[in-house]
Amino acid sequence: AQTVTQSQPEMSVQEAETVTLSCTYDTSESDYYLFWYKQPPSRQMILVIRQEAYKQQNATENRFSVNFQKAAKSFSLKISDSQLGDAAMYFCAYSDNNDMRFGAGTRLTVKP
Amino acid sequence: KAGVTQTPRYLIKTRGQQVTLSCSPISGHRSVSWYQQTPGQGLQFLFEYFSETQRNKGNFPGRFSGRQFSNSRSEMNVSTLELGDSALYLCASSRDSLPYEQYFGPGTRLTVT
Repeated sequence: AQTVTQSQPEMSVQEAETVTLSCTYDTSESDYYLFWYKQPPSRQMILVIRQEAYKQQNATENRFSVNFQKAAKSFSLKISDSQLGDAAMYFCAYSDNNDMRFGAGTRLTVKP
Repeated sequence: KAGVTQTPRYLIKTRGQQVTLSCSPISGHRSVSWYQQTPGQGLQFLFEYFSETQRNKGNFPGRFSGRQFSNSRSEMNVSTLELGDSALYLCASSRDSLPYEQYFGPGTRLTVT
């Protein structure tokens, strides 16, 4: 079965600095998507960024970028110029035609 | 576009009762998925509906069921509630079926006493 592992339960970053959240996954599928979702204290889950497995180029969305290492099954999220509003739980997610799995989450704190 | 809406937002039920939760997807989205979120188990996939058919199912007992209507709105039903069913139930919609990105609603907080 597909698994998603986030090894950092909590992370902290200074405002305006850069932080990287780690995620590894396990799958035997060749066609899949990977996502990072953000869940602020209000509980609404927000899509941050997505990566199609067949694309070699790493996805970027403004201050958010990923480092996708397909062979290593690694999918990390880099947040540049961190802002107070980035404070949230971040979930790494894997999706294929039959399944959607989430990691346990990383709680990100942003210090002013 | 309006986002995914879920009703009710909060619910308190007694063990043994049944409950129905409702989800309205983003306009034009044909896929609706349901998730259970608890502190102990995290986010777990319940099932996905696409064009009124259950397309995928997670590892949950048969007490958890759902359906999707022709307008893509979906309902989830839990029968014979147990204390362990207390959770945040999230609905997510997508323009197409898995594996495409999903957009989540605010959730329904279910408390079973």
